[in-house]
Amino acid sequence: GAVVSQHPSWVICKSGTSVKIECRSLDFQATTMFWYRQFPKQSLMLMATSNEGSKATYEQGVEKDKFLINHASLTLSTLTVTSAHPEDSSFYICSALSWASLANNEQFFGPGTRLTVL
Amino acid sequence: DAKTTQPPSMDCAEGRAANLPCNHSTISGNEYVYWYRQIHSQGPQYIIHGLKNNETNEMASLIITEDRKSSTLILPHATLRDTAVYYCIVTYGTDKLIFGTGTRLQVFP
Repeated sequence: GAVVSQHPSWVICKSGTSVKIECRSLDFQATTMFWYRQFPKQSLMLMATSNEGSKATYEQGVEKDKFLINHASLTLSTLTVTSAHPEDSSFYICSALSWASLANNEQFFGPGTRLTVL
Repeated sequence: DAKTTQPPSMDCAEGRAANLPCNHSTISGNEYVYWYRQIHSQGPQYIIHGLKNNETNEMASLIITEDRKSSTLILPHATLRDTAVYYCIVTYGTDKLIFGTGTRLQVFP
C-alpha cells in the first residue's frame, strides 16, 4: 500500500512550452501533497505544499505563476511548468501524506519526473 | 535551511553494520528526527523516526543521544541494495521536510 505514481516519468520539451506533471496517490487519499525539485548531485528542494481544494503554499523564491499547482482531488495533484526554459530542467518529485501517516509525518514519495527543456 | 549536519560519504562492507551519524545540536524539545533515503534516480523512502527514545523497525535502528543533539542510524546488515543517499531531517510532527545534503552510503562486496 501507500503507492504514489507520477506521470510522465520523463519528458523533453522545447523552450517556451508548458509541461504538466501528474502526481497520484494510488491506494490512499492524500491529505497533503508536496512538490520538490532536485538538480543533479544536489538535495531535494521543497517547492510547494498542496492541500486538496485550496491554494498551494509556495516556498520562498519559487515563482507561483511559473509553477502552477492544482490539487483537484484527494488523489491527484498536478504541477505545470509554464513557459519552460533550459534552467527548469530538473528532477521533479512529489510526495503525499495520508490520514494514517499524518501522525508520523511519513511522506510517501513518487518515483520522480525528469524534465529536460531544450 | 536544514538543521542537521551529516558526513558527505561513507563506505560499508556488505553484511556489516552501517552506522550513519547526524548532528542536530539546535533541535527543539518537540522536534522529531527523521531518516529518509534516496536510491539513485528514485523518490526518497521513509526509514524511521524518533523523538527521544531509541527506535527500531524492520529496516533500521535509530539511536538518539540523551541530550538529543545527535543521532545514529544503524543498518544492522548492510546489503548492496542499501547503497543510497541517507537524509537526516529534524522537524515538527506534521511540518514540512527540509532535506540537507545527506550522506552517500556506498556498500561494497
